[in-house]
Amino acid sequence: DGGITQSPKYLFRKEGQNVTLSCEQNLNHDAMYWYRQDPGQGLRLIYYSQIVNDFQKGDIAEGYSVSREKKESFPLTVTSAQKNPTAFYLCASSITGGPGELFFGEGSRLTVL
Amino acid sequence: AQSVTQPDIHITVSEGASLELRCNYSYGATPYLFWYVQSPGQGLQLLLKYFSGDTLVQGIKGFEAEFKRSQSSFNLRKPSVHWSDAAEYFCAVGASGSARQLTFGSGTQLTVLP
Repeated sequence: DGGITQSPKYLFRKEGQNVTLSCEQNLNHDAMYWYRQDPGQGLRLIYYSQIVNDFQKGDIAEGYSVSREKKESFPLTVTSAQKNPTAFYLCASSITGGPGELFFGEGSRLTVL
Repeated sequence: AQSVTQPDIHITVSEGASLELRCNYSYGATPYLFWYVQSPGQGLQLLLKYFSGDTLVQGIKGFEAEFKRSQSSFNLRKPSVHWSDAAEYFCAVGASGSARQLTFGSGTQLTVLP
């Protein structure tokens, strides 16, 4: 079945460490997105990509980085510069650049110890 | 800039009762409107969407929503709630042609009592 796979589902990190969250899709979608979810704040856009080798900052890109070397993959790195990285991270994809239906992965929960 | 307000943080209903979740948006033109549902620890799933045409839209799981331009609202309804509907519900608004996709509301947590 087609879908979006995020890994790991749970991740613990010490302060000062970079971590990379994986996002892979087999839906053949052009556009991919990373959102951060905090209680009571809904979803906030971190980065998005409409095409391979191109991506744009969202509303809260500081302290994060991404790459889009393959259509299927859009990994997110949470760097040590991110001051409050503990959150639930959601990857999504869509057929076009938008707006349209977003297909979401099951999320990755990052906890900084 | 577009924005979405979901006034109710938490709603509790009894199983079999009707449900209405409120959503108000701010956007200068005709918006693209969506409702998503999220079960605990999971991603979001699309319930329904409005782009144009009939202002009453039907979605999955027996949900419907009505677009009211004069009230800038897109409220979600269900005639009879099931225990499995307990989840968090998000309203979202998008702009035509916008590659940045959607602006999400802060969500409404639904509890269903037996």
